[in-house]
Amino acid sequence: DAKTTQPPSMDCAEGRAANLPCNHSTISGNEYVYWYRQIHSQGPQYIIHGLKNNETNEMASLIITEDRKSSTLILPHATLRDTAVYYCIVRVGSSSASKIIFGSGTRLSIRP
Amino acid sequence: DAGVIQSPRHEVTEMGQEVTLRCKPISGHNSLFWYRQTMMRGLELLIYFNNNVPIDDSGMPEDRFSAKMPNASFSTLKIQPSEPRDSAVYFCASSQLASGTGSYTFGSGTRLTVV
Repeated sequence: DAKTTQPPSMDCAEGRAANLPCNHSTISGNEYVYWYRQIHSQGPQYIIHGLKNNETNEMASLIITEDRKSSTLILPHATLRDTAVYYCIVRVGSSSASKIIFGSGTRLSIRP
Repeated sequence: DAGVIQSPRHEVTEMGQEVTLRCKPISGHNSLFWYRQTMMRGLELLIYFNNNVPIDDSGMPEDRFSAKMPNASFSTLKIQPSEPRDSAVYFCASSQLASGTGSYTFGSGTRLTVV
């Protein structure tokens, strides 16, 4: 699976949009971009995933560049509960037949 | 649904003792994953099963570690004998093969301390 690069830490003011970048310049045509987050002491939680098109759900939006070499996770109105480590992962296919390998992630701090 | 259930939540044991961690996946999920998390190494995939069959155990650190999935609703991760360097949080996750999202649901983890 392609490797990803994320900033180790970011901060954002409560109520503002949090934009978390991820570089995946070696991504292959059949690899999806996934985002998970891990709130302190809890198991990781699935947020969103996509292949080519931008995606939105009740938690976040995912913007993938046209060349697919990078993406941005957007939390539109960050709250203190969004403080967590966010992981960007690329993997082959969207079924669980391929394993998920976690990197170091971005530690997002939301300030009041 | 109760989600992925792991037990115990906390385990403290002495070096050399056998430790068994347990996991009940979400009903209907047919893939199960064991991860280990430490400050130094982050989240590491140890082993995963599809339809109760081990598919990839390349992440299992050594022969002291073993995992089984006797049926679709139960899995164990055993460490025998345990060592202080095994201290970590162990997570179990489950997923549905060929599901729409391919996402994993994680349990709350077992915090293991070996003294």
